[in-house]
Amino acid sequence: GNSVTQMEGPVTLSEEAFLTINCTYTATGYPSLFWYVQYPGEGLQLLLKATKADDKGSNKGFEATYRKETTSFHLEKGSVQVSDSAVYFCALRTSYQKVTFGTGTKLQVIP
Amino acid sequence: DVKVTQSSRYLVKRTGEKVFLECVQDMDHENMFWYRQDPGLGLRLIYFSYDVKMKEKGDIPEGYSVSREKKERFSLILESASTNQTSMYLCASSLIGMNTEAFFGQGTRLTVV
Repeated sequence: GNSVTQMEGPVTLSEEAFLTINCTYTATGYPSLFWYVQYPGEGLQLLLKATKADDKGSNKGFEATYRKETTSFHLEKGSVQVSDSAVYFCALRTSYQKVTFGTGTKLQVIP
Repeated sequence: DVKVTQSSRYLVKRTGEKVFLECVQDMDHENMFWYRQDPGLGLRLIYFSYDVKMKEKGDIPEGYSVSREKKERFSLILESASTNQTSMYLCASSLIGMNTEAFFGQGTRLTVV
């Protein structure tokens, strides 16, 4: 079956630090890959996505590249802000129906 | 602006009660989903629906049922609530297609006492 593995959190960084959150996946076929973000007290919202190998998704300074050879989709940001504090979920979709999520990584950015 | 609306943000119910969680989307999406979110476990799929009156079990359907009588509305039913069903419940919807994103409601925090 499909699965997504994320690095365990929480991750605590100082403002303006570089962020990497690792995500690897196992899937049948060729999935689409997503990063979702959940701010405190809210539901999830899409941060970025990539639909085929070597695609790079980007949004709000965050980037992730679909690496088929390493089955990875690591999230990066060059300079985090306090407002980036949230829980980040990596996800994949291989069919028109189900979405499989990782367990989430909590990010805390301190001033 | 797209919207998925869950009927309650917080609910407290007693063990053994029948509980209804309602979700409405205004985007004419075919797919709708119910997840529960627990610390350390991420999001786990309970049920999903790909059309009116159509449903499929997700990964943890035990103790739950669903109803989709209209395209825009997807209800999650706890037939007899138990304390281990205390959780955050998230509803989502999407178009058909593996490249499409899911849109989420704000969640319902259910406590069963």
